Amino acid sequence: GQQLNQSPQSMFIQEGEDVSMNCTSSSIFNTWLWYKQDPGEGPVLLIALYKAGELTSNGRLTAQFGITRKDSFLNISASIPSDVGIYFCAGKTSYDKVIFGPGTSLSVIP
Amino acid sequence: DTEVTQTPKHLVMGMTNKKSLKCEQHMGHRAMYWYKQKAKKPPELMFVYSYEKLSINESVPSRFSPECPNSSLLNLHLHALQPEDSALYLCASSLGRVSTYNEQFFGPGTRLTVL
Repeated sequence: GQQLNQSPQSMFIQEGEDVSMNCTSSSIFNTWLWYKQDPGEGPVLLIALYKAGELTSNGRLTAQFGITRKDSFLNISASIPSDVGIYFCAGKTSYDKVIFGPGTSLSVIP
Repeated sequence: DTEVTQTPKHLVMGMTNKKSLKCEQHMGHRAMYWYKQKAKKPPELMFVYSYEKLSINESVPSRFSPECPNSSLLNLHLHALQPEDSALYLCASSLGRVSTYNEQFFGPGTRLTVL
């Protein structure tokens, strides 16, 4: 079946550093979504990408939809302690179904 | 109102109990979803309702029974669960088939423990 790969699996960074993580797939997706999840909470949508090549920002977050439609990256600039959490990429295959990547766990050292 | 609400937040039940999880949204969304999430794993899709009709069942055991009474409400009825069913159960909603911009918005989840 369709699978997403995320890298890195986990990251430990100093506060103030920039962060980059990516997501790849062997399948083409029409939409890429990036979510952040805090422990015991539901995922929160950060950025949605709808067109190949699209680059979208949301505050300190920037994400891009790869030209091949098989990958996406998320950058976080000037990290702060509240950026800690698990970041999931998700690809949408149809109007109703979303496939999640395994997640990248981010730890920020003050 | 731009949120998905779920009740209860925590639930502990025995293997012989019957319980229900509830989900509600008032964003006018016409697609609603149930996901199961184990610790340190991504959410796994269980069911999708589109316009109050079940459109996807990801081969979920019959001890989980979804119900969509109307476009704002989604229930998950639980009966004769196993300890391995303990997990965070997430509800999500989206605009539905009519919209290309169809991102899913999640509720806070119900933490279920089966003893």
